[in-house]
Amino acid sequence: EVQLVESGGGLVKPGGSLRLSCTAYGFALSSHSVNWVRQAPGRALEWVASISQSGSFIDYADTMKGRFTVSRNNAESAAFLQMNSLRAEDSAVYYCARLLMVRDKENYYYYHMDVWGKGTPVTVSS
Amino acid sequence: EIVLTQTPGTLSLSPGESATLSCWASQSFNRNLLNWYQHRPGQAPRLLIYGASNRAADIPDRFRGSGSGTDFTLTISRLEPEDFAVYYCQQHDSPPYSFGQGTKLEIK
Repeated sequence: EVQLVESGGGLVKPGGSLRLSCTAYGFALSSHSVNWVRQAPGRALEWVASISQSGSFIDYADTMKGRFTVSRNNAESAAFLQMNSLRAEDSAVYYCARLLMVRDKENYYYYHMDVWGKGTPVTVSS
Repeated sequence: EIVLTQTPGTLSLSPGESATLSCWASQSFNRNLLNWYQHRPGQAPRLLIYGASNRAADIPDRFRGSGSGTDFTLTISRLEPEDFAVYYCQQHDSPPYSFGQGTKLEIK
């Protein structure tokens, strides 16, 4: 079965750090970019970061730049989100998602997140 | 930065009725990069529509996406009980790959 499984969430104090993992099963994660998305309690989905297949291209949401670092290990079929200097407003469920690129017969490209993990909760509180 | 605005914030309807959800972008972008997701409480988000109008695998034809430029629409016909959830549009044209704030579809 094709699936993504996140782990590493938990309770951390403000200013602390956590490292989230996203492990792929049933497919080769190396063939896909990976996105991290979060949802704070009562809030909308929020895109966090993206890492390309090789790890050469990385983007972050502005509020995460300088605090969060995304990486991957294709040999382990895993991606990671290192979160430092955590704040209360970083409390959320964090999801990883596979980015699927599709090219149609007219050579149009489509990018969308077609496989998602169930998420791992992060709580930042003293 | 592309900002997506969804309307309405909440939509109250009964099973069997049809729902129309809107997503407005702050600037025009490639419609191939506009996606819709369904999110039920406690579950992973689920891809419904990619490229503005293409249904994802196993998505029933009651779900239809349309639009281009800055205006996009998700229409759900003949609402089933399992359709009551939160729906998000999302763009993958340029980072940050933003989501709209969501439309909550609730049972009337």
